[in-house]
Amino acid sequence: QVQLQESGPGLVKPSETLSLTCTVSGYSISSGYYWGWIRQPPGKGLEWIGSIYHSGSTYYNPSLKSRVTISVDTSKNQFSLKLSSVTAADTAVYYCARVKMGIGFDYWGQGTLVTVSS
Amino acid sequence: EIVLTQSPGTLSLSPGERATLSCRASQSVSSSYLAWYQQKPGQAPRLLIYGASSRATGIPDRFSGSGSGTDFTLTISRLEPEDFAVYYCQQYGSSPGWTFGQGTKVEIK
Repeated sequence: QVQLQESGPGLVKPSETLSLTCTVSGYSISSGYYWGWIRQPPGKGLEWIGSIYHSGSTYYNPSLKSRVTISVDTSKNQFSLKLSSVTAADTAVYYCARVKMGIGFDYWGQGTLVTVSS
Repeated sequence: EIVLTQSPGTLSLSPGERATLSCRASQSVSSSYLAWYQQKPGQAPRLLIYGASSRATGIPDRFSGSGSGTDFTLTISRLEPEDFAVYYCQQYGSSPGWTFGQGTKVEIK
């Protein structure tokens, strides 16, 4: 069974960089598929942040592209998100997920709340 | 950028009733890349439908999807208590990648 688990600080100061890691179990990232990050501000809808292939190729939401970096570490079966220059508007539950192109996000982590506040 | 608009915002129905949720795209979407998700409070979204009409693994057959072009529909034939949740449509395009609708909440009447 594929499982994903987000980890990282729950509180980040404004202007700093948000860093999260997604650890995948039950499936080797090296075997294929894209892997993605999605966020959801409290009480609001879903926003795709970006995705990465096991080879390292990435594509990002244009609205966030200037601040986002997604990377993959196949040796640890993890992929990571960095979002720079955060503001209160970046407060959200952040999810990682497996991406099946042409299908959608078929496995999700439970999500982690990141609050941006001084 | 393709914008997905879902309607209604909230649907108030009783268990056993039929639910019809709409997702309209600002421009034509490939049916292959239209998906629906269910999200319950405090939980991650769950993939229900992909390719506009194919049920994901383990999804009951009371859930069905249809549509093409700019108009897509998710139908729940007979609402079960566990179906009361928020539903999102999603599409994939070359730019900016994946986009979601704003969601429809199905609540108990």
